[in-house]
Amino acid sequence: NAGVTQTPKFQVLKTGQSMTLQCAQDMNHNSMYWYRQDPGMGLRLIYYSASEGTTDKGEVPNGYNVSRLNKREFSLRLESAAPSQTSVYFCASRALGDTDTQYFGPGTRLTVL
Amino acid sequence: ILNVEQSPQSLHVQEGDSTNFTCSFPSSNFYALHWYRWETAKSPEALFVMTLNGDEKKKGQISATLNTKEGYSYLYIKGSQPEDSATYLCAFGDFNKFYFGSGTKLNVKP
Repeated sequence: NAGVTQTPKFQVLKTGQSMTLQCAQDMNHNSMYWYRQDPGMGLRLIYYSASEGTTDKGEVPNGYNVSRLNKREFSLRLESAAPSQTSVYFCASRALGDTDTQYFGPGTRLTVL
Repeated sequence: ILNVEQSPQSLHVQEGDSTNFTCSFPSSNFYALHWYRWETAKSPEALFVMTLNGDEKKKGQISATLNTKEGYSYLYIKGSQPEDSATYLCAFGDFNKFYFGSGTKLNVKP
């Protein structure tokens, strides 16, 4: 039982390049989330998927797209990376229900030059 | 966007000190309040989920209380140890998503 896994762990991009961050969970959770963490700003929600087949914008969606490939996998795509997207990205999953906690992956540290 | 505020932003204490932090959230339409512990270079780990007004949860030397009517939760650490050094996050959870505060960074000096 691996929980929530993310790949890659580290990535360096040049401005304008594209990449996809992968996230998978093996806990049969319905909801999945992508956050970014910047110094002094806590966790900010980029996109979430409340259930398979649905996605919704969070607080800071500009410059990102997501795909809920199946119940296990939720990917985050940067189509044209910008230095402002330098951050640590966390994926999380949660069982259906308003009191169920979110479980986080180990994070992806992305640097855009 | 729902506003969740945590105070203080950072705290420096000596080993053995007891300490507490505050999380403030909107008191209307309350669903759940979550506390997380986040060590540097790791991912956040769940501490408590609190749902009822007057709830009190405890894990070892860490405890939390909840007041949904006035919109706040306190996290207490009794007899802090260096290994308690971390950022403590609270999150207001609705049915679909969480709204995180910016955290309280605790540094416990030996």
